[in-house]
Amino acid sequence: SAVISQKPSRDICQRGTSLTIQCQVDSQVTMMFWYRQQPGQSLTLIATANQGSEATYESGFVIDKFPISRPNLTFSTLTVSNMSPEDSSIYLCSVEGDRGYGYTFGSGTRLTVV
Amino acid sequence: QQQVKQSPQSLIVQKGGISIINCAYENTAFDYFPWYQQFPGKGPALLIAIRPDVSEKKEGRFTISFNKSAKQFSLHIMDSQPGDSATYFCAAFNMEYGNKLVFGAGTILRVKS
Repeated sequence: SAVISQKPSRDICQRGTSLTIQCQVDSQVTMMFWYRQQPGQSLTLIATANQGSEATYESGFVIDKFPISRPNLTFSTLTVSNMSPEDSSIYLCSVEGDRGYGYTFGSGTRLTVV
Repeated sequence: QQQVKQSPQSLIVQKGGISIINCAYENTAFDYFPWYQQFPGKGPALLIAIRPDVSEKKEGRFTISFNKSAKQFSLHIMDSQPGDSATYFCAAFNMEYGNKLVFGAGTILRVKS
């Protein structure tokens, strides 16, 4: 299965600022996914990022708040913009596994907004 | 309906005991049901998965039981060990749903030594 490197692993940010999270995969993948995991909660899909096209956002998430880039088949970034304390969460990158199944997750970025 | 309902929310099991976590789904179009294990500070890791054409799948101490008619599936951890203490998520997947995983709420398992 793919190996995902996610940076930064954690950060503490001031409200009103933005943070860009990077996700690097060791193999080419068609689809990359960004999830949010609020403290003690399950995973919620933010958006699906395909190379060469605009990301597809889930209900409740908008591009202005969570812009995503997907410049090639091994890399993606998620930006959390104009942050507020409510954005404090773990943000996770994920890619599809073999034959479309067995999705792999990065270790996540633990974001605290103060 | 895209929900996956998971229970219990938390579970305490004695070392050597059996841990059982249950999930139920509504969308009969789901065709792949993975379980993920998450340790603190780590991303979820695929533990075991099943397709609806089989009723049981076993990998080591981990077994998935699947009841298609009841739209339920469960994870059984035999001979539970303290190292199994983690959060477990069930999930469901359907390629027609845009290749997206739908997760249950999670179960915090603590195995007491």
